[in-house]
Amino acid sequence: ETGVTQTPRHLVMGMTNKKSLKCEQHLGHNAMYWYKQSAKKPLELMFVYSLEERVENNSVPSRFSPECPNSSHLFLHLHTLQPEDSALYLCASSPRGAEAEQYFGPGTRLTVT
Amino acid sequence: GQSLEQPSEVTAVEGAIVQINCTYQTSGFYGLSWYQQHDGGAPTFLSYNALDGLEETGRFSSFLSRSDSYGYLLLQELQMKDSASYFCAVRVRGDGATNKLIFGTGTLLAVQP
Repeated sequence: ETGVTQTPRHLVMGMTNKKSLKCEQHLGHNAMYWYKQSAKKPLELMFVYSLEERVENNSVPSRFSPECPNSSHLFLHLHTLQPEDSALYLCASSPRGAEAEQYFGPGTRLTVT
Repeated sequence: GQSLEQPSEVTAVEGAIVQINCTYQTSGFYGLSWYQQHDGGAPTFLSYNALDGLEETGRFSSFLSRSDSYGYLLLQELQMKDSASYFCAVRVRGDGATNKLIFGTGTLLAVQP
């Protein structure tokens, strides 16, 4: 099993749609992260979960709603997105306390039309 | 606030040595990580420096000077497959008990034959 998987790999959605991104890690980690990567910009940390509890929310608009049902799964629920939300969404995991070394999934390329 | 600076692009030839610098301004600093990302791929962890000095891992080395808020990634015996984007990231105190990474904008390394 690949360490961190993400589905779907590509997603096109309209501004009125509701969709969810899924991330699964098979590394036994207990911290998980969502990042947004846009062209010419640094990876932007969106949310951090540690032991299934959200510990960081970097001023992300409410149209992005994370969910962490257990230590292996992380979701990002999307609704009423804007075209500027089009980006690569990356999930990562690490052991708690070892944030320096994160393992990333391949990302979901999201296009909002 | 937090800020990191690294060159946007670097070009080098196969077999050469290249150094990618990173300067940062942060609060609650714990250490400096480096990640590699090939076009269309996921970021992968390369190294982490919590203490001053040089860390060597095969052809790659990373250096940190906490007093100068400066670090670099050194790539030796460059190969074509090293063509990728390289990100520095500072590990800093998060909102909760979990720390977090703040990424730079990345340096695109082009290795030429």
